[in-house]
Amino acid sequence: EDQVTQSPEALRLQEGESSSLNCSYTVSGLRGLFWYRQDPGKGPEFLFTLYSAGEEKEKERLKATLTKKESFLHITAPKPEDSATYLCAVQARYGGSQGNLIFGKGTKLSVKP
Amino acid sequence: DGGITQSPKYLFRKEGQNVTLSCEQNLNHDAMYWYRQDPGQGLRLIYYSQIVNDFQKGDIAEGYSVSREKKESFPLTVTSAQKNPTAFYLCASSRGTYTDTQYFGPGTRLTVL
Repeated sequence: EDQVTQSPEALRLQEGESSSLNCSYTVSGLRGLFWYRQDPGKGPEFLFTLYSAGEEKEKERLKATLTKKESFLHITAPKPEDSATYLCAVQARYGGSQGNLIFGKGTKLSVKP
Repeated sequence: DGGITQSPKYLFRKEGQNVTLSCEQNLNHDAMYWYRQDPGQGLRLIYYSQIVNDFQKGDIAEGYSVSREKKESFPLTVTSAQKNPTAFYLCASSRGTYTDTQYFGPGTRLTVL
């Protein structure tokens, strides 16, 4: 069964304290892995798409990496405005759910000044 | 500005009533999706449509219905058969179905009174 597990469920950081969020997945052939940011009461905002192991993408203080079994979202010197829930989703190449996004439960990040 | 709009932002339903949630996009995307988000759970796919006048059930379609008469619009009806409809509903769209990034609307929060 295709599934996505995100850890930790919640993460509290001090401003400037770098850390990483994990997204591990099992899927019938990975077509793509997606990271989104979601603020309370709002829709998810697209951050990155990764397609193959070894791929990396960066945007401001965020860097996403991908291996064959997991992805990391590295946050360097976070600021309070980075506080949000970060969602990971995968798209399978094969099987009944191919083409559809399978989401993890998210990691809630809080950055204190 | 191109984007996805959902209305209303908040919706209250009495038990036994059907309600319709609106989703409109002006991104010229072919594919549209409806997800449900509950606290502590990942987004779950309700229905999706790859082209006008065609749609497929997702993982949790029971108690819901959709139509796709126009490319820009994909309304979702929550019927009285849906036993636990209180949730945050998210509409998304993408250029195509496979690999293409899904972009989300701002969401509708439905509460059953």
